[in-house]
Amino acid sequence: SQQGEEDPQALSIQEGENATMNCSYKTSINNLQWYRQNSGRGLVHLILIRSNEREKHSGRLRVTLDTSKKSSSLLITASRAADTASYFCATDGRSSASKIIFGSGTRLSIRP
Amino acid sequence: EAEVAQSPRYKITEKSQAVAFWCDPISGHATLYWYRQILGQGPELLVQFQDESVVDDSQLPKDRFSAERLKGVDSTLKIQPAELGDSAMYLCASSLRQGAYEQFFGPGTRLTVL
Repeated sequence: SQQGEEDPQALSIQEGENATMNCSYKTSINNLQWYRQNSGRGLVHLILIRSNEREKHSGRLRVTLDTSKKSSSLLITASRAADTASYFCATDGRSSASKIIFGSGTRLSIRP
Repeated sequence: EAEVAQSPRYKITEKSQAVAFWCDPISGHATLYWYRQILGQGPELLVQFQDESVVDDSQLPKDRFSAERLKGVDSTLKIQPAELGDSAMYLCASSLRQGAYEQFFGPGTRLTVL
């Protein structure tokens, strides 16, 4: 089962515009991570945000976390063609039985 | 730069045959993960190792799948017999340890079962 659900499923924007993707999850978490996957390749870690953090930045990336709404957002500013990829959130649950669960992903396309 | 190695990159097999995938994590990484990713979906955790011990294999179809990490370093995932529904990308990842640590992914093995 998928704990994290990304929204939208697909997003197409013009190069230079900002892209925002959202992730919702169901149970309490220790941390949430965002990963990027280029077509047919392995995943690359982008950023990790802990449950006691509300916002983190890394270069052109900004991640927010709202634990009261069980949601997170990933903002990519000044998008580039190389940002074309699928983006996944992954949650690490709090209970001892929790495991890392990836969402279904957002497919981002950057138009030149 | 250290990377997670996987082989083979591609595997085509017929149903009812046995297949095996190999993963070599980044040196010093105690935690190793095997995921299955169906096209258009996110990765699904099959099994997680901490050193040589299985931490989680709740989603591993144990009637046909097996995984081992005998010396706590490299790992093998086996399917026997393969079924048509097993066609997917199999990803291996490693992290320094469990918890709030970045996972490093290998390039994956694309399995096609005919």
